[in-house]
Amino acid sequence: AQSVSQHNHHVILSEAASLELGCNYSYGGTVNLFWYVQYPGQHLQLLLKYFSGDPLVKGIKGFEAEFIKSKFSFNLRKPSVQWSDTAEYFCAVKAGNAGGTSYGKLTFGQGTILTVHP
Amino acid sequence: NAGVMQNPRHLVRRRGQEARLRCSPMKGHSHVYWYRQLPEEGLKFMVYLQKENIIDESGMPKERFSAEFPKEGPSILRIQQVVRGDSAAYFCASSPPGTGGPMGTQYFGPGTRLLVL
Repeated sequence: AQSVSQHNHHVILSEAASLELGCNYSYGGTVNLFWYVQYPGQHLQLLLKYFSGDPLVKGIKGFEAEFIKSKFSFNLRKPSVQWSDTAEYFCAVKAGNAGGTSYGKLTFGQGTILTVHP
Repeated sequence: NAGVMQNPRHLVRRRGQEARLRCSPMKGHSHVYWYRQLPEEGLKFMVYLQKENIIDESGMPKERFSAEFPKEGPSILRIQQVVRGDSAAYFCASSPPGTGGPMGTQYFGPGTRLLVL
């Protein structure tokens, strides 16, 4: 079974600071990787996803993530955060091999709350 | 195009009562997933359904919890005889036909916050 670990529970930054949120997963096979964001009072939205190919993935709102297979990591980055990036961020994985019945489910990390001060 | 709809957004029940949570997937979507988020934890998978079929219920508690996705109407997550430990946020997600596999993207609803007194 897969598992996901997000290193930081709460990150506090000032505007224009750079951001990196850690995500490590545990799974013996191929995985597909996702970052979701939940703004205050809103539903989860997809930021970006990795299935295959270039391990550096660009998402919406200036976010990017790098898949490092040897480290089982998929860290989220943004060069310069804004106050509007204040939200909770979730890393998630899905088994990448079709077959069986469990490939539909996402396994989430615990979430990282990002607070950006103006 | 309306997103995934969940209702009610907030639900208060007393111990022993039943809770019914509804999820209407995005138009044209035929796959529905339910997740539960306990306080201070991430989302945990509960069940994956297609129309009239339960595909994967490996995350569902063995007792008191059931889910359905009928041919017509929303998906329902039903919790019988609720206990305080059932207090959580319950999220529904949906995806289009043919995307229940590893590369399908799930679109989430706003969640139902259940409080058991």
